[in-house]
Amino acid sequence: GQNIDQPTEMTATEGAIVQINCTYQTSGFNGLFWYQQHAGEAPTFLSYNVLDGLEEKGRFSSFLSRSKGYSYLLLKELQMKDSASYLCAVTDSNYQLIWGAGTKLIIKP
Amino acid sequence: ETGVTQTPRHLVMGMTNKKSLKCEQHLGHNAMYWYKQSAKKPLELMFVYSLEERVENNSVPSRFSPECPNSSHLFLHLHTLQPEDSALYLCASSEETSGNYNEQFFGPGTRLTVL
Repeated sequence: GQNIDQPTEMTATEGAIVQINCTYQTSGFNGLFWYQQHAGEAPTFLSYNVLDGLEEKGRFSSFLSRSKGYSYLLLKELQMKDSASYLCAVTDSNYQLIWGAGTKLIIKP
Repeated sequence: ETGVTQTPRHLVMGMTNKKSLKCEQHLGHNAMYWYKQSAKKPLELMFVYSLEERVENNSVPSRFSPECPNSSHLFLHLHTLQPEDSALYLCASSEETSGNYNEQFFGPGTRLTVL
């Protein structure tokens, strides 16, 4: 079967750095997405990786290793507004998005 | 209006009621999706439409009935639901249903409670 694993919940301190991991086992791979979802709101796109390596976008970076079936989302200089759920999703060989259950990130002052 | 909108935002219904969820996208996309989101579970894809034709139906019970009258509008008709159907129902759209980079744009969802 197809599976996306990510931690259920993480806690970090304002101003610090946090890394949210995602491992996947899917039938084929055509890219990996990270979405952010604040409570009661729509998921919004954060990043996309299809080649190995690090993609940086401001305070957020996303890394991919296809050989290891592994990605992480790195958030720097954490702000209170970063408290949200972070969803990892992989596009499989049929171009269907397979979703993880999401990681709830709690930021403390 | 911009992006993807959904109405109503909240819905409470009894098991014998019939109701409909509405989704509208203002992005000129060709594909639209219905997802079910339950607490601490992955997003569950329910239906996919491409150019108003259903291309995916992931073994969803017949008490959920989708309708896509045009590429901008998507409905989910509900009847004789069960309490376990209580969840957040998300609508999304994308340019196409295939291709590597297929970013999906989501609406805010309808929080459904079945009593």
